[in-house]
Amino acid sequence: DVKVTQSSRYLVKRTGEKVFLECVQDMDHENMFWYRQDPGLGLRLIYFSYDVKMKEKGDIPEGYSVSREKKERFSLILESASTNQTSMYLCASSSVVTKQYFGPGTRLTVT
Amino acid sequence: ELKVEQNPLFLSMQEGKNYTIYCNYSTTSDRLYWYRQDPGKSLESLFVLLSNGAVKQEGRLMASLDTKARLSTLHITAAVHDLSATYFCAFHGGATNKLIFGTGTLLAVQP
Repeated sequence: DVKVTQSSRYLVKRTGEKVFLECVQDMDHENMFWYRQDPGLGLRLIYFSYDVKMKEKGDIPEGYSVSREKKERFSLILESASTNQTSMYLCASSSVVTKQYFGPGTRLTVT
Repeated sequence: ELKVEQNPLFLSMQEGKNYTIYCNYSTTSDRLYWYRQDPGKSLESLFVLLSNGAVKQEGRLMASLDTKARLSTLHITAAVHDLSATYFCAFHGGATNKLIFGTGTLLAVQP
């Protein structure tokens, strides 16, 4: 079974803190994705990566950066967390021919 | 603009009834996905539809795809409470493996 894991299920951070969200997949997938999910807005793509050290902006990259140093790991970084970044963050991975498999999600609260 | 419209956004139905969720997407795509999300949980893949006229069924759920109309439907037969969840459709946007998601349909099945 494909497994996508995320470092935390729940996270509370203060405004201005640097926040790292980590995602690991065990299926040797080329593609990895970070989404945020907010009520009434569905899933919005923040960044994605189609190879190690490669990244592409999604629909809402402002305030975020990413890092992919190893194929299995894709990190989302909030350089200076703000209250409007309070959200559910979902990581996903896929190969070029498969559907996306999602991790369990991280519910981030910025106070 | 790459866009997906789902309707209805909210559906309350009684057990034993049938209903259909509609998903319209804005551009040609080779794949259409349906996902399910339970409250507080991540997304679980239900169906992948790959060609015009494709129909897939799993239990009380049946998904179909009409690529000419850019329309996919998720039909619920004889609903049961366990089907209560949010259902998302998504399609491939462009040459990458990026998915464009609808805003979701919250289904509540009442006893």
